[in-house]
Amino acid sequence: QVQLVQSGAEVKKPGASVKVSCKASGYAFSNYYVHWVRQAPGQGLEWMGIISPAGGRATYAQNFQGRATMTRDTSTRTLYMELSSLRSEDTAVYYCARESPHHSLAHWGQGTQVTVSS
Amino acid sequence: QTVVTQEPSFSVSPGGTVTLTCGLSSGSVSTSNYPSWYQQTPGQAPRTLIYSTNTRSSGVPDRFSGSIVGNKAALTITGAQAEDESDYYCVLYMGSDIYVFGTGTMVTVL
Repeated sequence: QVQLVQSGAEVKKPGASVKVSCKASGYAFSNYYVHWVRQAPGQGLEWMGIISPAGGRATYAQNFQGRATMTRDTSTRTLYMELSSLRSEDTAVYYCARESPHHSLAHWGQGTQVTVSS
Repeated sequence: QTVVTQEPSFSVSPGGTVTLTCGLSSGSVSTSNYPSWYQQTPGQAPRTLIYSTNTRSSGVPDRFSGSIVGNKAALTITGAQAEDESDYYCVLYMGSDIYVFGTGTMVTVL
């Protein structure tokens, strides 16, 4: 079955960077795009961007261009989302989610809590 | 910047019907936006309910249905049950690998 297992919780200081991983299993890794989504405490879901595991090309939401970098390692079937210049407003749960063939987010990781605090 | 708007909250009686909507700040939602719907309970990852406007995801009860109503995407719960009390989000595909989440609707069943 499709599984996306994310890395553990992180605590970072303002101005630092964080790199969240998402290990995929149970499907053909290169065939499905992967989204990154975040949810701040008490807030809604926010789409951050999408990456093609086949070629590594990523597209970012306007709010994250220049600050988020999405990459993948095909040898380990792992995707990464790095967010730089962290500020307190970046405190959130970050999710990876595998695309379906119909432009939806079909399978979700368990989420990674990132806390930004001095 | 595109804003996708949902009703902030809805209350429905057990066994009742409720329709949530998902609209664009400018323009109409169409099947070309491939509207999808997600259910989220506190502390959990979202669960996919509907994709491609009206296709139920595997294992989703048939009391959930999706459609286009006027210029918006819609999610209807027919015969609401207590376990349907959750937050609901829509997602629209805007083209060129860009997606936008709706603002979310909190549904209370009482």
